[in-house]
Amino acid sequence: GNSVTQMEGPVTLSEEAFLTINCTYTATGYPSLFWYVQYPGEGLQLLLKATKADDKGSNKGFEATYRKETTSFHLEKGSVQVSDSAVYFCALSSGSNDYKLSFGAGTTVTVRA
Amino acid sequence: DAGVIQSPRHEVTEMGQEVTLRCKPISGHDYLFWYRQTMMRGLELLIYFNNNVPIDDSGMPEDRFSAKMPNASFSTLKIQPSEPRDSAVYFCASSQTGGSYNEQFFGPGTRLTVL
Repeated sequence: GNSVTQMEGPVTLSEEAFLTINCTYTATGYPSLFWYVQYPGEGLQLLLKATKADDKGSNKGFEATYRKETTSFHLEKGSVQVSDSAVYFCALSSGSNDYKLSFGAGTTVTVRA
Repeated sequence: DAGVIQSPRHEVTEMGQEVTLRCKPISGHDYLFWYRQTMMRGLELLIYFNNNVPIDDSGMPEDRFSAKMPNASFSTLKIQPSEPRDSAVYFCASSQTGGSYNEQFFGPGTRLTVL
């Protein structure tokens, strides 16, 4: 079955530091990959997505590249801000007709001023 | 658009009581998902519906849990009787066939505390 493994947190960084959160997946076929973000006290919201190999998703300074050869979708941001403090979830769906998402465990990121 | 609406936002109840959580999906969305989030188990999919029909309820923990979707704009998740281990944040999410890359839109959640 489908599964997502992401690096455990919590991660604590200083403002303007570089952030990487590792995510690897197991799936059959050609999954779509997502990063969702959950700010304190809120529901999850889509941060970025990629639907095929070598696609790069980007949003709000965050980037992730769909790497089929390493089954990875690592999230990166070059210079984090305090407002980036949140829980980040990697997720996948099996394909365009599969609306069910498999989520990773989530990584808590805290950015200090 | 108002987004996914959940009620109540917070619920505190005593063990053995019935709890009903409510969700209104985004208008026009035909998929609805119920999730549970805890520190120990993370985010778990409980059940999801397509066009008001339950498609996969394999994540429902036990018979004490039930979910219904009587129409396209309303769904309930019921726990009867509730137990302290049911304490969690429950999220509802919706998505649309043919929508952007299967994106799910989440509600703000209901924080349930069972004493």
